[in-house]
Amino acid sequence: GAVVSQHPSWVICKSGTSVKIECRSLDFQATTMFWYRQFPKQSLMLMATSNEGSKATYEQGVEKDKFLINHASLTLSTLTVTSAHPEDSSFYICSAKGNGELFFGEGSRLTVL
Amino acid sequence: AQSVTQPDIHITVSEGASLELRCNYSYGATPYLFWYVQSPGQGLQLLLKYFSGDTLVQGIKGFEAEFKRSQSSFNLRKPSVHWSDAAEYFCAVGAREYGNKLVFGAGTILRVKS
Repeated sequence: GAVVSQHPSWVICKSGTSVKIECRSLDFQATTMFWYRQFPKQSLMLMATSNEGSKATYEQGVEKDKFLINHASLTLSTLTVTSAHPEDSSFYICSAKGNGELFFGEGSRLTVL
Repeated sequence: AQSVTQPDIHITVSEGASLELRCNYSYGATPYLFWYVQSPGQGLQLLLKYFSGDTLVQGIKGFEAEFKRSQSSFNLRKPSVHWSDAAEYFCAVGAREYGNKLVFGAGTILRVKS
């Protein structure tokens, strides 16, 4: 089946630094990818829709200047958390649409100290 | 506004017993319905989905779900639970009219007693 891979799985960074998370569709092309955030013991909340070759569409309340999304190719979308702070610590999950289905990555756990 | 309700935060069942996880939705369009399972610290795995047709859907790992439009429900069932089923389960709703974005329920944590 289709596979979506995220990297890194775990990242710890200092407050004020930027962190990049990659989401790759390994065996299909994805014109659309979605980024979700999951706080501990909570559900997944959609952050933004990443469209290949165009600007991402952000959900209400998500700061586009803080969470930079780039979807430069049909198999890769990146989420950069800029000037990360402890409140940005979360589990970030991407999904990609392929073959009419949505496939989820394994998630990336960000801890900001 | 679109919303998904999973009324049970935690459910504990004995191994071998039957299971039903509840999901109700409120959606303005014809919904696509999903159930996902998440093990601790990991991503999501699709158990099953409903787009149209037969309202009783079979999924992986012996799970099934029934779409009841009149009740706006999509409950997940399994006749005999195994210890390895312990995880968190999410119901999600999407629609082509909303760009296929998914709205997730809050999740139900399943614990299995041996």
